[in-house]
Amino acid sequence: GDSVTQMEGPVTLSEEAFLTINCTYTATGYPSLFWYVQYPGEGLQLLLKATKADDKGSNKGFEATYRKETTSFHLEKGSVQVSDSAVYFCALSTGANSKLTFGKGITLSVRP
Amino acid sequence: NAGVTQTPKFRVLKTGQSMTLLCAQDMNHEYMYWYRQDPGMGLRLIHYSVGEGTTAKGEVPDGYNVSRLKKQNFLLGLESAAPSQTSVYFCASSSWFEVNTEAFFGQGTRLTVV
Repeated sequence: GDSVTQMEGPVTLSEEAFLTINCTYTATGYPSLFWYVQYPGEGLQLLLKATKADDKGSNKGFEATYRKETTSFHLEKGSVQVSDSAVYFCALSTGANSKLTFGKGITLSVRP
Repeated sequence: NAGVTQTPKFRVLKTGQSMTLLCAQDMNHEYMYWYRQDPGMGLRLIHYSVGEGTTAKGEVPDGYNVSRLKKQNFLLGLESAAPSQTSVYFCASSSWFEVNTEAFFGQGTRLTVV
C-alpha cells in the first residue's frame, strides 16, 4: 500500500537558519504530493503541493520538488522565522477519492 | 467563510459511553473524511464518504461508525468508547472536481476516554 516516510524529529533551529525536512514515499500509480502544516491548537492547512514529476510547489518561502526518480518531496526554506514553528506533515494522494496518506509529522521549533 | 466546523472541540468520556462528533462544511464538497491524530503516528483515516448517503472504511475503522445523511454533514460515532480511542479527531473535505485536490480540515476534537 501507499506510505510516506518523514525524517525523525523534533527539529530545533535558530531564526534565519536553513531548513530541510526529508520526505520519501511509496505509491502505486502517480500520486500527488503535499505538505501540510499544523500550527499550535489548529487544524491542518495546505502549505504547498505538486501533482506531477519535476513540479515544484512553493508558498510562504517554502519549496518542495516532486522527484520521481528518488520518490522524494523534501521541504526546504532558506531562512526560517519564529512564526514557522509548527508541525509539518508530508502526504500523498492517489485515486479518485483523493484520500490522503500522511507521514508521522515533524515538529519544528524556531528560537529567536 | 466557516469552511469545516467540528463540534465539540473537547470531550471527556467514561469507558463504555457513546458520543457523536459532528462535522459540517459549507464548501459544497462531495468528499468528506474522518482522521485521528496520535503522537508519533501522523493522521490515520478512519472512514470517508464520496457523497451524500455513502460511507466507506479507511485504515482504522474498528469501533467507529459514520453517517452522511446530508451532503454538508459527516457524523462520527463511538458506540462504546475505549481508552484506545483517546485521540484528536479531524474532519476534512475536498472537491471531486479536481482529482487529488487539496483537503480542508476542521480545527479538531480532542477526545479523552477515561
